[in-house]
Amino acid sequence: DAKTTQPTSMDCAEGRAANLPCNHSTISGNEYVYWYRQIHSQGPQYIIHGLKNNETNEMASLIITEDRKSSTLILPHATLRDTAVYYCIVSPPYGGSQGNLIFGKGTKLSVKP
Amino acid sequence: DGGITQSPKYLFRKEGQNVTLSCEQNLNHDAMYWYRQDPGQGLRLIYYSQIVNDFQKGDIAEGYSVSREKKESFPLTVTSAQKNPTAFYLCASSPRGGNEKLFFGSGTQLSVL
Repeated sequence: DAKTTQPTSMDCAEGRAANLPCNHSTISGNEYVYWYRQIHSQGPQYIIHGLKNNETNEMASLIITEDRKSSTLILPHATLRDTAVYYCIVSPPYGGSQGNLIFGKGTKLSVKP
Repeated sequence: DGGITQSPKYLFRKEGQNVTLSCEQNLNHDAMYWYRQDPGQGLRLIYYSQIVNDFQKGDIAEGYSVSREKKESFPLTVTSAQKNPTAFYLCASSPRGGNEKLFFGSGTQLSVL
């Protein structure tokens, strides 16, 4: 499975966009990029995923570079409740073990008033 | 509401004691997973099951055991062989165990007395 590299921590002002980068330079052509977040002492929450194209949902946008070696999660208007650890994960292709997702240490995002 | 329920929220283990963590889901998902999280660390896979009566070891299965007798239930037993059991334990499920998002429970904090 491909591994990912994320900054350890980031700060963001409330109401501003939070841009969280992720490097996955060894990603395979059929592997998806998933983002989850974990608020302290809770279970992780799915945010968004994508393969090649940019994706947007009610929570965030995912921008994947053309070579697919990196991606950026964008929270367009960060609130204090977005303070959490954000995990960028590369998923094996269907038929593989979803359970073998590699949850690294992620990026701790602190949204400040 | 549909979801994953973990119980108890907090659990204490005495030396030499086996303890069982409960995980129940009413999402009709085929696949279920157990992860361990240590403070400031990512998640590590203990066991996973993609179908009833079948399960596979993850990266850190030693000292743990599981069963999958029913689709909705995937209990984890922390045995006395696990010498460092203090951690936050997370249960998750996914519809088929392939390239799809995970749904997590709220976790169980296990501590040793």
